[in-house]
Amino acid sequence: NAGVTQTPKFQVLKTGQSMTLQCAQDMNHNSMYWYRQDPGMGLRLIYYSASEGTTDKGEVPNGYNVSRLNKREFSLRLESAAPSQTSVYFCASSGLATRIETQYFGPGTRLLVL
Amino acid sequence: KNEVEQSPQNLTAQEGEFITINCSYSVGISALHWLQQHPGGGIVSLFMLSSGKKKHGRLIATINIQEKHSSLHITASHPRDSAVYICAVSPTGNQFYFGTGTSLTVIP
Repeated sequence: NAGVTQTPKFQVLKTGQSMTLQCAQDMNHNSMYWYRQDPGMGLRLIYYSASEGTTDKGEVPNGYNVSRLNKREFSLRLESAAPSQTSVYFCASSGLATRIETQYFGPGTRLLVL
Repeated sequence: KNEVEQSPQNLTAQEGEFITINCSYSVGISALHWLQQHPGGGIVSLFMLSSGKKKHGRLIATINIQEKHSSLHITASHPRDSAVYICAVSPTGNQFYFGTGTSLTVIP
């Protein structure tokens, strides 16, 4: 099993460009999450999906959109990238949203917006 | 306002030393997690606990719900333990508050 995979690993964008970060898990998990990690700050939740077909905002959703394409895949889209979105993005998944479970993280995507 | 505070921020130890990393939180929680972030950036979950103590190899995690405090101990530390250790708390299944991490360097 690959666990949680993310693509791309690294991306450079110019201000105003758009891109989609892809995430997939093969653990048959119901819940998936997108976080960003910035220096000196803890991981912050951007969006999450408790189950296929549902998505909800997290702590820092502005400037992002998400799609839960199916149970395996959860994508994060930046419609018009800004330098403030330079960060490392992590996707994670867990079994159920209705109880506390261990989260499994992807390897991260480093995004630089110029 | 930080819901989760970790100390110390940075820690350097000699190989073989006993290490303690502390985590205090300010919200009611259902569970607390300890995560390890490797120098390459990957994050793995070490422990999830809601009471008492858990042990896995040389790692021990404890939690005191009344005092809203948890500790992660590493016995007989080794250079391969060098990583960032992150404390996170879950008030509910979809909420996670993360600390900023403790950067540990173990010197041979």
